[in-house]
Formats: sequence, C-alpha cells, structure tokens
Amino acid sequence: DIQMTQSPASLSASLGETVTIECRASEDIYSNLAWYQQKPGNSPQLLIYDANSLADGVPSRFSGSGSGTQYSLKINSLQSEDVASYFCQQYNNYLTFGSGTKLEIK
Amino acid sequence: EVQLQESGPGLVKPSQSLSLTCSVTGYSITSNYWGWIRKFPGNKMEWMGYISYSGSTSYNPSLKSRISITRDTSKNQFFLQLNSVTTEDTATYYCARIIPGFFDYWGQGVMVTVSS
Repeated sequence: DIQMTQSPASLSASLGETVTIECRASEDIYSNLAWYQQKPGNSPQLLIYDANSLADGVPSRFSGSGSGTQYSLKINSLQSEDVASYFCQQYNNYLTFGSGTKLEIK
Repeated sequence: EVQLQESGPGLVKPSQSLSLTCSVTGYSITSNYWGWIRKFPGNKMEWMGYISYSGSTSYNPSLKSRISITRDTSKNQFFLQLNSVTTEDTATYYCARIIPGFFDYWGQGVMVTVSS
C-alpha cells in the first residue's frame, strides 16, 4: 500500500504569513491527491483535489501543487480561522491519509 | 444540500461488533460512492471502506477480515459493521461521500470507545 509522509507535524506561524505543508508518497500517485482542513470539534472539509483544484467555497489563499511523489499545500496570508489540522490523502491506489499537520498562530 | 449523519452506540465491549448507521439526505446513495473513515486518538486517519452506487464494496486490506459495509436504499442509509473489536478500534468514526476518490461531504462523526 501507498504510504503518505506528511511534514511538519506541527507548525506555528504569524497572521499574514505564508505557510507550506508537504506530503510525500511512497510511489507515484499521478496527482490523485486531496487536502483537508479539520478545525477543532468539526469534521474534515475538502480544500484541494486532484493536487491543485480548489474545492467549492474554499478561499483562494489556499493552493495545492506537486506531481509524482511530492505535493504541497500553501496557505497565503494566514488568517486566525486557519487554525486547524491539515491532512493529505492519496486516491491513486486505495485511499490513505498523511499523518496530519497541526497549524497554530504564533 | 448533501448531509450525512452517523449514529450508533458510543461504547462497545471488546470482542463484540461495532455497528454504525450513516443516514444521507439531499442525495441518493444509488449515485456515487459512500465511505467510512475513522480518526484515532493522536490524529491518525484511516479509510475503512466504501460501498458504491451499485452496492459493490471495497475495503482497506488491513480490515478486510473484520469489516462489512451494507446499505438500505429505501431508507437512503448505509451501514458499517466491524467485528471482533479491541481497544485499538477506539476512534471517531465518520461517513462521507466519495467523488471519485476524495471525500467531499462528511458527517459530524461519532466517537466510539471500546472498553469493558
């Protein structure tokens, strides 16, 4: 099965900063990758699919990129409401999640 | 709007079966795919399996011997059964719609504790 290595595990950044979260797949997943945001007490919400397509209603400060085995989620102009855990998920072969990144505001 | 709601017991004894229901409104489960995901204490997320619009199923190989996902199209519900549970199955369980490999609508989740 495909392993997803996500980094960093936790991240602290200032309001207005740009942050990047990375996911590395154990084999080529051909951009079959999604990113989710999970705020405390809530269920996960889809942010990005197909590695770089923004889900409906997601602010444009979120963007995804990557190919092959390396993918990233970028958040521009960090807002207080972006405090959450973020997960990547591959769907090229079965479905597996990264280990998550907890984002806090400095 | 598509809405999903999990229901079921919050406490299950070790070696027993865990049974959950996902009730879907605003969309027919005879379209698309419908899955179960769980999140363990400590944040790890695991896809458990899904049932398709036609009723076919696919399961995480790590659970294949213990899991069953079924549905009742007349009630627009699908179900999770996980057999022979241990404390390692303590988690928050979510149901979600799958399009076609990612999850676009999620239920609110139900916390299940396995304990005697």
